[in-house]
Amino acid sequence: AQSVTQLDSQVPVFEEAPVELRCNYSSSVSVYLFWYVQYPNQGLQLLLKYLSGSTLVESINGFEAEFNKSQTSFHLRKPSVHISDTAEYFCAVSRYGGATNKLIFGTGTLLAVQP
Amino acid sequence: GAGVSQSPRYKVAKRGQDVALRCDPISGHVSLFWYQQALGQGPEFLTYFQNEAQLDKSGLPSDRFFAERPEGSVSTLKIQRTQQEDSAVYLCASSLRDSNSPLHFGNGTRLTVT
Repeated sequence: AQSVTQLDSQVPVFEEAPVELRCNYSSSVSVYLFWYVQYPNQGLQLLLKYLSGSTLVESINGFEAEFNKSQTSFHLRKPSVHISDTAEYFCAVSRYGGATNKLIFGTGTLLAVQP
Repeated sequence: GAGVSQSPRYKVAKRGQDVALRCDPISGHVSLFWYQQALGQGPEFLTYFQNEAQLDKSGLPSDRFFAERPEGSVSTLKIQRTQQEDSAVYLCASSLRDSNSPLHFGNGTRLTVT
């Protein structure tokens, strides 16, 4: 079985500051890794994913995450956040070789960007 | 109609009532997933369809939960004899196919059982 841990339930940060949202997972088999974002009053949206290849993946709006197999982590980072990045961020995994979108989610981290 | 549509947006049911939650996926999307999100938690997998075939229902919490997608498009999640612990947001998501296709989520149906 797989599990995902997001230790930080809320991360307050000032605009233009860097941020890191932590995600650790547990699995006895290989996994795919995802970050989903939920903006206020909107549905979940895929932010970025790691399926294979380069361990560093990037989103179109400046976020990046690095798959670290030895530390079983997939932390999300952005060097300079904007007010519009305020949202709930969910880390998720799925089992390699299974249904890719059969996801196990963490409990989420609320990123609160302050002016 | 570009996104996944779910109805109703909110549903209040008295304990013991049956409810039916509807999901209209993006046209042409083969895969359809249902997730349950309790307050303060991440979404939890309930069941998954590929076209009309229900390939995995391992996440359904009890036999009171039933999902169908008879024509491979619209899906309905039915909960019989609702209990207070069924209160949650029910999320539907679709993808063009399962492998390497991103999931597109609807806004969910918030079910409150009183």
